[in-house]
Amino acid sequence: GQNIDQPTEMTATEGAIVQINCTYQTSGFNGLFWYQQHAGEAPTFLSYNVLDGLEEKGRFSSFLSRSKGYSYLLLKELQMKDSASYLCAVRGNAGNNRKLIWGLGTSLAVNP
Amino acid sequence: DARVTQTPRHKVTEMGQEVTMRCQPILGHNTVFWYRQTMMQGLELLAYFRNRAPLDDSGMPKDRFSAEMPDATLATLKIQPSEPRDSAVYFCASGLPGEGETQYFGPGTRLLVL
Repeated sequence: GQNIDQPTEMTATEGAIVQINCTYQTSGFNGLFWYQQHAGEAPTFLSYNVLDGLEEKGRFSSFLSRSKGYSYLLLKELQMKDSASYLCAVRGNAGNNRKLIWGLGTSLAVNP
Repeated sequence: DARVTQTPRHKVTEMGQEVTMRCQPILGHNTVFWYRQTMMQGLELLAYFRNRAPLDDSGMPKDRFSAEMPDATLATLKIQPSEPRDSAVYFCASGLPGEGETQYFGPGTRLLVL
């Protein structure tokens, strides 16, 4: 079957760096997404990786290794507002069906 | 500032009643997704449209749920009859084939069925 695994919860300190891991097993691979979701709000797009390597976007970076079925989201200079759930999603099937397979999310708490 | 809009934002209803949720995708987006989110199951895809045609509704309980796109600016999700287990947040998202077909989410409809 198809599966996305990510830690349920993480805690970090304001100003620090945190890495949120995601491993996946899917039939085919056509891209991996990270979304941020604050409590009571909609998921918002953070990053997209389709090739191996690191994509940097300000304080947030996302890494992908397709051979290992592995990605991580790196958050630097953590701020209180980064407390949220971080969702990993993979587009598994090629062709006409473009649906995403979603992880359950990692709830990150940033403490002062 | 282009956004996906959803109505209503909150809905409380009694078991057995019909519920209709509406979504206006971002202008120009040709893919529309309906998701249900609960604490236990996370995000579940219910239905998926491209150019108004349904591509995948395998995640949707067919006996009580239905999804349509009457035109390019409106998608609807109906539950009839509603049941308490349908209580969840329902999100609509839209996207374009380019940029990895990134999905942009609406604010969601919080449904409570008593």
